[in-house]
Amino acid sequence: DAGITQSPRHKVTETGTPVTLRCHQTENHRYMYWYRQDPGHGLRLIHYSYGVKDTDKGEVSDGYSVSRSKTEDFLLTLESATSSQTSVYFCATGNVRLAWYEQYFGPGTRLTVT
Amino acid sequence: AQKITQTQPGMFVQEKEAVTLDCTYDTSDQSYGLFWYKQPSSGEMIFLIYQGSYDEQNATEGRYSLNFQKARKSANLVISASQLGDSAMYFCAMRVFQGAQKLVFGQGTRLTINP
Repeated sequence: DAGITQSPRHKVTETGTPVTLRCHQTENHRYMYWYRQDPGHGLRLIHYSYGVKDTDKGEVSDGYSVSRSKTEDFLLTLESATSSQTSVYFCATGNVRLAWYEQYFGPGTRLTVT
Repeated sequence: AQKITQTQPGMFVQEKEAVTLDCTYDTSDQSYGLFWYKQPSSGEMIFLIYQGSYDEQNATEGRYSLNFQKARKSANLVISASQLGDSAMYFCAMRVFQGAQKLVFGQGTRLTINP
């Protein structure tokens, strides 16, 4: 357990409004990730971070932006929410130890865009 | 391109039987890792087991073992003596390095354990 919390855990918002999801970790892991999970698609990577202020796009990044100003916090922003962004969002952290790589997930945020 | 394939959308197994969940992967990298995660109906993602590409022995964690066949590019999860609490969605994932460490996920297998 990497001590990952996500807030909010549930959110309902209207189309066109901006939304920010927060991920907080207590383990000082270098890597942080945002995924979305939709039926039939498994988990898809939205954005990731490999250090403070170092971020990059994943496979489904359109309509999303991220920021990481501190090691422990990774924010995901939906600039103008659309119904297609209704999903469950998972934050994860990753840590490399010798030949071992570990990745742990937060509890998820269920977002509904009406 | 790196890809994970889980060909079993759903499986039904009797309690106490052993279960094998299939996972095949595609990568041209020499160094990679394979994970299995469990997602119960409550929604959280639980790490089960990890196998590195250079590990010669199959990984084991309690009732879970990973049957790693490198030449066949398969990394099947074996659950021994299944329990009702094993009913969940199971995801296979592969660690790749593309500028940073990332995981590529399969689509998952829904396992149902019948009493």
